[in-house]
Amino acid sequence: GDSVTQMEGPVTLSEEAFLTINCTYTATGYPSLFWYVQYPGEGLQLLLKATKADDKGSNKGFEATYRKETTSFHLEKGSVQVSDSAVYFCAAPSGANQAGTALIFGKGTTLSVSS
Amino acid sequence: GAVVSQHPSWVICKSGTSVKIECRSLDFQATTMFWYRQFPKQSLMLMATSNEGSKATYEQGVEKDKFLINHASLTLSTLTVTSAHPEDSSFYICSGQLAGEINEQFFGPGTRLTVL
Repeated sequence: GDSVTQMEGPVTLSEEAFLTINCTYTATGYPSLFWYVQYPGEGLQLLLKATKADDKGSNKGFEATYRKETTSFHLEKGSVQVSDSAVYFCAAPSGANQAGTALIFGKGTTLSVSS
Repeated sequence: GAVVSQHPSWVICKSGTSVKIECRSLDFQATTMFWYRQFPKQSLMLMATSNEGSKATYEQGVEKDKFLINHASLTLSTLTVTSAHPEDSSFYICSGQLAGEINEQFFGPGTRLTVL
């Protein structure tokens, strides 16, 4: 079945360090892929997305490229800040790539950035 | 982006009572709304999918008689936890999806339920 596998944390970095959080998926076809971020005590916010293979999603300095050959959607940021400390979730549709389909989430990766 | 609200943001109740959680899409019409449950330090688990005006579709293992979902309008869905027990304590999150939109969902801030 469809699934999302995400590297487990926690990830602890110093400010301005480079960040990579790995995410791979198994799915039928080439679905849209998402990264969500959850700050402490809050709900999920969409960080970025890619709707087709080879697309690059980007937002707030974060990037992820949809690579169909490796079925991956790794999240990267060149220089993290303390304010980036949060839990990051990779997500993909649970079934058909169509309206009304729920998302399945990776287990989440906790990022802690210290100054 | 589209905004989803949840009310209440947290609730404490006694075992055996029922709790209703509201999920509203504030600036868009959500044809489909989803309810998720999140345990501490874990991922979100889909509980049910609801489409406006029809019965919700529950995931395997979720008791539909315990978790009542109503999606009466394009901007409001409610989750009622009936006869709550301590094991129902969790973080409940709803999301709304725009009509015709493929996959992207907008999430509410979540409701923390504690059952004593």
